[in-house]
Amino acid sequence: AQTVTQSQPEMSVQEAETVTLSCTYDTSESNYYLFWYKQPPSRQMILVIRQEAYKQQNATENRFSVNFQKAAKSFSLKISDSQLGDTAMYFCAFMRNAGNMLTFGGGTRLMVKP
Amino acid sequence: DGGITQSPKYLFRKEGQNVTLSCEQNLNHDAMYWYRQDPGQGLRLIYYSQIVNDFQKGDIAEGYSVSREKKESFPLTVTSAQKNPTAFYLCASSPRGTSQETQYFGPGTRLLVL
Repeated sequence: AQTVTQSQPEMSVQEAETVTLSCTYDTSESNYYLFWYKQPPSRQMILVIRQEAYKQQNATENRFSVNFQKAAKSFSLKISDSQLGDTAMYFCAFMRNAGNMLTFGGGTRLMVKP
Repeated sequence: DGGITQSPKYLFRKEGQNVTLSCEQNLNHDAMYWYRQDPGQGLRLIYYSQIVNDFQKGDIAEGYSVSREKKESFPLTVTSAQKNPTAFYLCASSPRGTSQETQYFGPGTRLLVL
């Protein structure tokens, strides 16, 4: 079974600065997919970014980028130029290549301070 | 607008009562999912359905039941057998229910036990 671990329960960052959220996972598979979801106070889950394990290039979406280290089974999220609207819970999630079930980490609560 | 709707936003259950949470999508997605989120924790999969009239148990299916009579609807019933139902419930969908697909989430329903 796959497990996803987010070791930082809470983090804070000043507006306009950069923050990195950590995620590690455990799997014996070689092909899989990784996701970061954001859950703001409204509780709506919003996809931030996704990464295919077979791609060596790190995914980027505007201010959001990942550092995917396959050998280390690490998938960190970097938020640049943090904005107040980035305040939310962030969840890392894993999906096997064969199947469509997501396994979520416990989340990191990010507070962006003005 | 295309999307996923969940109702009600808040639901109260009395001891020994069955309650049903609604999930509707107009995205023409084949696959739908139900997740449970407890305070400060990640999401756990309850049930999923990849096609009409078919569904599979997730990690925590005990005390829950589902049906999939229509492509756009996937209601979840929390039965009296679920001894700790207080949680936030999220419904999601994906285009074909195959691997590598992004899942899109509804706004959620908070269930409280009276």
